[in-house]
Amino acid sequence: NAGVTQTPKFQVLKTGQSMTLQCAQDMNHEYMSWYRQDPGMGLRLIHYSVGAGITDQGEVPNGYNVSRSTTEDFPLRLLSAAPSQTSVYFCASSGELSGANVLTFGAGSRLTVL
Amino acid sequence: GQNIDQPTEMTATEGAIVQINCTYQTSGFNGLFWYQQHAGEAPTFLSYNVLDGLEEKGRFSSFLSRSKGYSYLLLKELQMKDSASYLCAVKDSNYQLIWGAGTKLIIKP
Repeated sequence: NAGVTQTPKFQVLKTGQSMTLQCAQDMNHEYMSWYRQDPGMGLRLIHYSVGAGITDQGEVPNGYNVSRSTTEDFPLRLLSAAPSQTSVYFCASSGELSGANVLTFGAGSRLTVL
Repeated sequence: GQNIDQPTEMTATEGAIVQINCTYQTSGFNGLFWYQQHAGEAPTFLSYNVLDGLEEKGRFSSFLSRSKGYSYLLLKELQMKDSASYLCAVKDSNYQLIWGAGTKLIIKP
């Protein structure tokens, strides 16, 4: 079982460039999400999805797009990278929102925007 | 606004016991989670509390008081591998997780 697979692990971008962070899970989870983690702050939700074809905004969605065409995949697109988007990004999935369903995280993607 | 507070950093000695506190103010409550995160790695699930009281799981225990908006994670018989950040998170009325900034635990021999 691979769990949640995130690529790339590291990426350096120039301001204004675009890129896609890939996320795939093989646990048949309905719920998938993207977080960013910055020093001294809690994980902040960017976008989430409760099933294929359904996405919604989290706490910090500006500058990011997502899509969910399949249950397995949930890519995060940076449209025009800015230095403020330098962060560590985590994709996470769980069975459903309610109850004790825990999040399984990918290994993380460290993004630097110059 | 919604807020989760935990100490930024704690230091403890190998073999000892440490208690990491978490206080929260959220719109609704649908459970509290503790995750462990080693440096450079992803968070991993430790414990879940939805009712008041103590949940014990091996060397780790987690306590919840909903009326006080308070939880703690208790780590016994500390080992060097317990050096990590411990993240407290609360599920709000929309079932979204609100995360604390984490407590970095340093274990000294």
